[in-house]
Amino acid sequence: GENVEQHPSTLSVQEGDSAVIKCTYSDSASNYFPWYKQELGKRPQLIIDIRSNVGEKKDQRIAVTLNKTAKHFSLHITETQPEDSAVYFCAASIGGNFNKFYFGSGTKLNVKP
Amino acid sequence: SQTIHQWPATLVQPVGSPLSLECTVEGTSNPNLYWYRQAAGRGLQLLFYSVGIGQISSEVPQNLSASRPQDRQFILSSKKLLLSDSGFYLCAWSSVAQYFGPGTRLLVL
Repeated sequence: GENVEQHPSTLSVQEGDSAVIKCTYSDSASNYFPWYKQELGKRPQLIIDIRSNVGEKKDQRIAVTLNKTAKHFSLHITETQPEDSAVYFCAASIGGNFNKFYFGSGTKLNVKP
Repeated sequence: SQTIHQWPATLVQPVGSPLSLECTVEGTSNPNLYWYRQAAGRGLQLLFYSVGIGQISSEVPQNLSASRPQDRQFILSSKKLLLSDSGFYLCAWSSVAQYFGPGTRLLVL
C-alpha cells in the first residue's frame, strides 16, 4: 500500500519568515494530495490540495508544489504569522469510486512572534 | 453545503463499559465515510471506512466495530472499552476531498 513520510516533525520559525514542510509518497498511482491544519483540540481542516495533473497551486500565503517524478510534494507558507502555529498533515489518495487517504505523521509548526 | 456532525463531544467512560459514537452527514448523498482515532500528540489512525450502507472495512483489528445503518450515518461501537481506547475520534466524509467532523474526545478510566 501507499506510504507517506513527512518532514520535519517540528519546525520553529520567526514571524514573517517562510516555512516549508515536505512529504514523499510511494505509490505512483496516487493522484490527489491534500494538506490539513490542525489547531490544538480541533479537527483537521483542509487548507489546500493539489491533483497530479498540476505542478503548483497557490492560495494567498500558502502554496503546494508537486513533483510526480520524484514522488514528493511540499507545503510553503510565506510571511508566517503566530496564528499559523498548528500541526500540519499531508496526505495522498488514489482517486476513483473510493478514495482512501494515507496521512503523514504531522509537522508541528511554531511561529515565534 | 455539506456539514458533518458528531456526538457526543466528550465522553468519560469506565473500563469495560460499552461505547457508541455517532456521526451524520448532511448535504450530500452516498458519501464515503471514515472513522479515525488520534492519540494525544499523534497522527491519524484509520479505523474503519464505508462506501455504502452496510459496507464496512476494518483497518486495524481491535475491540471496536462500525456500522452504517443509513446512507449518511456512521456509528462506532465497542462492547467493552479498554484503557487504550482513549483518544480523539474523528469521523470524516469524502467525495474527492476529505472533511472531518468536530470529533469526540474519549477518556477511558
